[in-house]
Amino acid sequence: GAVVSQHPSRVICKSGTSVKIECRSLDFQATTMFWYRQFPKQSLMLMATSNEGSKATYEQGVEKDKFLINHASLTLSTLTVTSAHPEDSSFYICSAGIYYEQYFGPGTRLTVT
Amino acid sequence: GESVGLHLPTLSVQEGDNSIINCAYSNSASDYFIWYKQESGKGPQFIIDIRSNMDKRQGQRVTVLLNKTVKHLSLQIAATQPGDSAVYFCAENNYGQNFVFGPGTRLSVLP
Repeated sequence: GAVVSQHPSRVICKSGTSVKIECRSLDFQATTMFWYRQFPKQSLMLMATSNEGSKATYEQGVEKDKFLINHASLTLSTLTVTSAHPEDSSFYICSAGIYYEQYFGPGTRLTVT
Repeated sequence: GESVGLHLPTLSVQEGDNSIINCAYSNSASDYFIWYKQESGKGPQFIIDIRSNMDKRQGQRVTVLLNKTVKHLSLQIAATQPGDSAVYFCAENNYGQNFVFGPGTRLSVLP
């Protein structure tokens, strides 16, 4: 079956630093990847839609200069949280796929101290 | 910053009983729906899907019912087991765009 990986699975960084999260589709090519954020006891909220070779489309309220998305190939998208603050601490999940068939990664737990 | 946390609805069922988890979706134009299971610290795991031209679909121990008139989706789990304990999300999709997730329900299986 289709597998999506995320790296790292957990990361702790200091306030003011940047951290990069990778999302890879391991055995298929994904035209579109989505980035979600999930706070404790809440649902997944879409942050941005990433299409290979073009600029990401951000949801309202998501700062594109803070959450940099690069979709360099059909198997890799990266999310960089710049100048991280404690309120950015969350569970970040990506999904990859084609049309309705979206496969979710295992998530990355970001803790900003 | 982090918004005020919502309290996840919780459904507690006895092991072996049937569970019914409900979801109201928002977009009458949504044409595809999925139920996901999410265990603590993990990504969503696909359970079952249904297209808008159907009102019922069955899988192994799970059944999804769709009522488009009232925009309601339900997930029925037969003979609930301890391993079914998790948070369950419904998600709707509108012609291949991103999935929009419901608020989630925590299922707790009692021994």
